[in-house]
Amino acid sequence: NAGVTQTPKFRVLKTGQSMTLLCAQDMNHEYMYWYRQDPGMGLRLIHYSVGEGTTAKGEVPDGYNVSRLKKQNFLLGLESAAPSQTSVYFCASNRGLSSGANVLTFGAGSRLTVL
Amino acid sequence: GENVEQHPSTLSVQEGDSAVIKCTYSDSASNYFPWYKQELGKGPQLIIDIRSNVGEKKDQRIAVTLNKTAKHFSLHITETQPEDSAVYFCAASNYRIQGAQKLVFGQGTRLTINP
Repeated sequence: NAGVTQTPKFRVLKTGQSMTLLCAQDMNHEYMYWYRQDPGMGLRLIHYSVGEGTTAKGEVPDGYNVSRLKKQNFLLGLESAAPSQTSVYFCASNRGLSSGANVLTFGAGSRLTVL
Repeated sequence: GENVEQHPSTLSVQEGDSAVIKCTYSDSASNYFPWYKQELGKGPQLIIDIRSNVGEKKDQRIAVTLNKTAKHFSLHITETQPEDSAVYFCAASNYRIQGAQKLVFGQGTRLTINP
């Protein structure tokens, strides 16, 4: 099993450009999340999804949009990138819906630089 | 909302010695406290977790303690080894079985084990 796969691993954007980060999981997990990691700030939740076709805002949602058209995929979009969005982005998932299914499995991260 | 503070930000110990990382949380409703380890270039991975109805949990060389009254919890690593070198994150959430696992992370501790 691949677990949680993120693409691309690295990307450089110019201010104002748009892009989409793709997260794919092959564990049939119900819940999926997007976090950003910045030095000295830990990981902060951007958006999450509790199932196919659903999304919800996390702690820092501004400037991002998400979609979950298929259960295994969770897309994070930046419509107009800003330098403040330079970060490492992590996707995570968990099975949910039963006791003991709360452990998050993380992808390897996507490093985004906005110039 | 929940706020998690983690100390120290960096920790250097001699191989074989013990390491302790401490976290405090603000929301008394939080009931789940995991610790994640992040190795260079990888996503965080769960190493141990504790629920609010338990005061201490051990798994071989690692242990976590929780003081609900004081709202703090700690990670203890004994007999440290070079492979323990990594960034460690504490987190907290108000976990419900049929709900999203919206973790709030601490700022992270970079642990270095000196040979």
